[in-house]
Amino acid sequence: DAKTTQPPSMDCAEGRAANLPCNHSTISGNEYVYWYRQIHSQGPQYIIHGLKNNETNEMASLIITEDRKSSTLILPHATLRDTAVYYCIVRDRNAGNNRKLIWGLGTSLAVNP
Amino acid sequence: NAGVTQTPKFQVLKTGQSMTLQCAQDMNHEYMSWYRQDPGMGLRLIHYSVGAGITDQGEVPNGYNVSRSTTEDFPLRLLSAAPSQTSVYFCASSYSGKGSSGEKLFFGSGTQLSVL
Repeated sequence: DAKTTQPPSMDCAEGRAANLPCNHSTISGNEYVYWYRQIHSQGPQYIIHGLKNNETNEMASLIITEDRKSSTLILPHATLRDTAVYYCIVRDRNAGNNRKLIWGLGTSLAVNP
Repeated sequence: NAGVTQTPKFQVLKTGQSMTLQCAQDMNHEYMSWYRQDPGMGLRLIHYSVGAGITDQGEVPNGYNVSRSTTEDFPLRLLSAAPSQTSVYFCASSYSGKGSSGEKLFFGSGTQLSVL
């Protein structure tokens, strides 16, 4: 599975949109982009995933560039409870299990009042 | 629906002691796994299982044993604890089918282990 690059930390004002970037320049055509987050001392939580089309759910939106080399997770109206570490991961759709997932250090997002 | 349940939440061991970290899921997931998380490092896979009776090693398996006698349970055993095993341990499960729907991992709340 391809490796991803994320900024180590970001700040966002409460109520504003938080835009978290991720580079995955070596992504292959079979790999999905997944986002998880980990609130302090809890287990990681799934947020959203996509292949090449933009995706939206009740938690966030995922924007994937046309060349698929980067993506942005958007939290449209960040709250204090969105303060967490956000992980961007790519995964082969045909792998059949999660053995090869590479978890980096993610982006530590601080939402400020 | 409880999801993935881990026990205990905290544990302190002396070097050489043994213990079992429990993990149970009620979602009928075929895939289960154990990760450890250390400061300054990403989650690292210890062992995983793609179904009852089937286990395999992950990235950092040394010092840990697992078994999978039922779909629901996937315990992690430390036979002789060492200070290097001080860490936070997470259990996770998912469907193991191919395609995007099988890849969403559900995590437990973690076990914080200290080995003195």
